[in-house]
Amino acid sequence: DAGVIQSPRHEVTEMGQEVTLRCKPISGHNSLFWYRQTMMRGLELLIYFNNNVPIDDSGMPEDRFSAKMPNASFSTLKIQPSEPRDSAVYFCASSLVIRGYDQPQHFGDGTRLSIL
Amino acid sequence: AQSVTQLDSHVSVSEGTPVLLRCNYSSSYSPSLFWYVQHPNKGLQLLLKYTSAATLVKGINGFEAEFKKSETSFHLTKPSAHMSDAAEYFCVVSPSGGNTPLVFGKGTRLSVIA
Repeated sequence: DAGVIQSPRHEVTEMGQEVTLRCKPISGHNSLFWYRQTMMRGLELLIYFNNNVPIDDSGMPEDRFSAKMPNASFSTLKIQPSEPRDSAVYFCASSLVIRGYDQPQHFGDGTRLSIL
Repeated sequence: AQSVTQLDSHVSVSEGTPVLLRCNYSSSYSPSLFWYVQHPNKGLQLLLKYTSAATLVKGINGFEAEFKKSETSFHLTKPSAHMSDAAEYFCVVSPSGGNTPLVFGKGTRLSVIA
């Protein structure tokens, strides 16, 4: 079975550029989560969707960050304009939410983003 | 509020010796608890989960964890460490009723010495 697929795996770009990270969740999962991982702050939940609807985006650092889920099989996380402090590993995870969010999340391998 | 505390940021063991990674949680209700492992340049992988069926939970790769409500602990153990166990381990709690997503601990880095 295919797991959560993220692309690209690595991204290096100059500050000020737009960055788009992509995620394909596991088929049949109805919730999708975007995380950021850094040495200083650990794993942070940025935003999550349920049935393609954003539920909580309070973890998004600032207005430069936006996320969309146009359908059940695709989501994007966009940073515009990008800054060096956005450098991190970004993870996407998905799960099947039935009665609550207490089911395991399945993670992609992440996108390692470097902003020069 | 639900939270989880991993008591050690780094644990180092010799190959073949037991592993103990400690985790305490705070919860007003009976939580769901998980352990995840993250190998370098990889995403997080589920090791095991506790959902009140049994207090001793067996996971993959020989790991197990015991839920102790009186101590609000969910420590991860393995009888004999392998070099391949070297990774970052995360203790995770699900708030009661699952109304909000999983809460991740800050992680414990396990080093295994040959």
